Amino acid sequence: DAGVTQSPTHLIKTRGQQVTLRCSPKSGHDTVSWYQQALGQGPQFIFQYYEEEERQRGNFPDRFSGHQFPNYSSELNVNALLLGDSALYLCASSSEYEQYFGPGTRLTVT
Amino acid sequence: GDSVTQMEGPVTLSEEAFLTINCTYTATGYPSLFWYVQYPGEGLQLLLKATKADDKGSNKGFEATYRKETTSFHLEKGSVQVSDSAVYFCALSEGIGSGYALNFGKGTSLLVTP
Repeated sequence: DAGVTQSPTHLIKTRGQQVTLRCSPKSGHDTVSWYQQALGQGPQFIFQYYEEEERQRGNFPDRFSGHQFPNYSSELNVNALLLGDSALYLCASSSEYEQYFGPGTRLTVT
Repeated sequence: GDSVTQMEGPVTLSEEAFLTINCTYTATGYPSLFWYVQYPGEGLQLLLKATKADDKGSNKGFEATYRKETTSFHLEKGSVQVSDSAVYFCALSEGIGSGYALNFGKGTSLLVTP
């Protein structure tokens, strides 16, 4: 059984561009959460999707948006990239009591 | 809002030494508490958890007890191994169940030398 997968592994973008990150949840998981982990920091919650709707949102601007598809996979979109958006973006899918994390996408904004 | 504070690293220990990583929390309700571990180049893995006061979470020789009176959830291991070298994150969520967002500390880097 594959765990949580994310693509791409690494990404380099220029300030002002837009980026889309992808996540496939663990089999049978219907809830997907996204986190941003800046270098040397703990992950910060961006938002959570359940049944194709955003269920919770952390303290992130509207430039960060997402989507969940009928197969429960999810996308994170970031518009108008800033240098401060450089981070590891983690996706987590949930069973009833545990969140399982993917390996992350390393985004570098230059 | 709810928050977690954990001791700053890096922590360097010799193999077989005793490990303690301190974690304290601030929360308005009755949070669930977690320790996650991040090995180099990998995603976060749940190490252990506790969902109510006085619960003890344990896994792979690591233990942590949910102390409501001191708002703490310190991670301990009696004898560390080189393979325990990783970054450890203390986290909380508002309730039981994975539908709640996780609120992480900044992480503590542990290096165990032979």
